[in-house]
Amino acid sequence: QKEVEQDPGPLSVPEGAIVSLNCTYSNSAFQYFMWYRQYSRKGPELLMYTYSSGNKEDGRFTAQVDKSSKYISLFIRDSQPSDSATYLCAMSNNDMRFGAGTRLTVKP
Amino acid sequence: SQTIHQWPATLVQPVGSPLSLECTVEGTSNPNLYWYRQAAGRGLQLLFYSVGIGQISSEVPQNLSASRPQDRQFILSSKKLLLSDSGFYLCAWSVGPGRIFGSGTRLTVV
Repeated sequence: QKEVEQDPGPLSVPEGAIVSLNCTYSNSAFQYFMWYRQYSRKGPELLMYTYSSGNKEDGRFTAQVDKSSKYISLFIRDSQPSDSATYLCAMSNNDMRFGAGTRLTVKP
Repeated sequence: SQTIHQWPATLVQPVGSPLSLECTVEGTSNPNLYWYRQAAGRGLQLLFYSVGIGQISSEVPQNLSASRPQDRQFILSSKKLLLSDSGFYLCAWSVGPGRIFGSGTRLTVV
């Protein structure tokens, strides 16, 4: 079993849809949970991070962490074509682990 | 401001040739630096990390090596490239619990 599991997609949605991206993990020691966005041929950029369980909102993006279920989510409201990218989850305690990334396409 | 530079952006090299990828950071001192490789559908694999000049830790035994000759410079090298070394290489430094990544180098070994 991988430490971090993420459905690679691809995921295609119409503009304006709500997008839900998810990861599961096995290491209960993870304390920090992050989401990165990666455009084609670019390095990942940090979108959001949360510490321990709970929700965090930043504009159209909401990150949720459920440590009891070892499950994290990223929601994108009113999705835009510019949101089309690969989204990687990541988590860390002393070491950092990444999911494989979910490729999202938002169609106009 | 803090920035990270990585070059070249793309590279095509024949099997058996040497490799040198360079990464430099600005706007910070004594950063923790990392080299990752990203393969399609397999996420980011940590190759090397460094906490200071001359200090290199290897995460995965392989055909690559790393060096840190200066505080803000991190170099990824190989003496003889293999086909399996193809991939997208990313330099990064740690900021809080996360990483700030460079723009990456797409390496194709032919």
